[in-house]
Amino acid sequence: DAGITQSPRHKVTETGTPVTLRCHQTENHRYMYWYRQDPGHGLRLIHYSYGVKDTDKGEVSDGYSVSRSKTEDFLLTLESATSSQTSVYFCAISGGLAGGQETQYFGPGTRLLVL
Amino acid sequence: ELKVEQNPLFLSMQEGKNYTIYCNYSTTSDRLYWYRQDPGKSLESLFVLLSNGAVKQEGRLMASLDTKARLSTLHITAAVHDLSATYFCAVNTDKLIFGTGTRLQVFP
Repeated sequence: DAGITQSPRHKVTETGTPVTLRCHQTENHRYMYWYRQDPGHGLRLIHYSYGVKDTDKGEVSDGYSVSRSKTEDFLLTLESATSSQTSVYFCAISGGLAGGQETQYFGPGTRLLVL
Repeated sequence: ELKVEQNPLFLSMQEGKNYTIYCNYSTTSDRLYWYRQDPGKSLESLFVLLSNGAVKQEGRLMASLDTKARLSTLHITAAVHDLSATYFCAVNTDKLIFGTGTRLQVFP
């Protein structure tokens, strides 16, 4: 994961506040993804991007929005954080095949606690 | 809706023993991934299986894919403590869907 960083790595916030997580890559990969990881659920896709300003929803997108204004940055925003959004958030990137059908490489993760 | 199931969910095994983790998926796919995750860490790619009958090996781990049975296996040979981790399979249709993971613990 040398080419992928996430910030912050840990965050504690209160219910109702907006939160933005950042994913930064230096690999110039086209596809970027946000997942959340919760016990008993594995990883679940929140949103993904297939290019600058091109994004789409995953399976658990409610309460989240994303933006990608540059190839290297993909932002995940929790509009109004809730306790159910306490989780570990992973960013991932992949190269260029259609549908992102190459191996995805994961960032170090962000631990978010919503009180 | 694609479902990916792994079993067992938890595996405690003695060093030197062999075991297999199973990954079943519900719809057609010819691309399956195995990842490893150490506690508190990110996911590391282990294998990409691209076609029916594909077999990949790295050290004590061997992965195989049977697309007709919609089944992949991760076989562990002569387990060592360093293999203790959680292993995920993931299946790609238009998105990557993960199994819930198998937590492997290897003890002396």
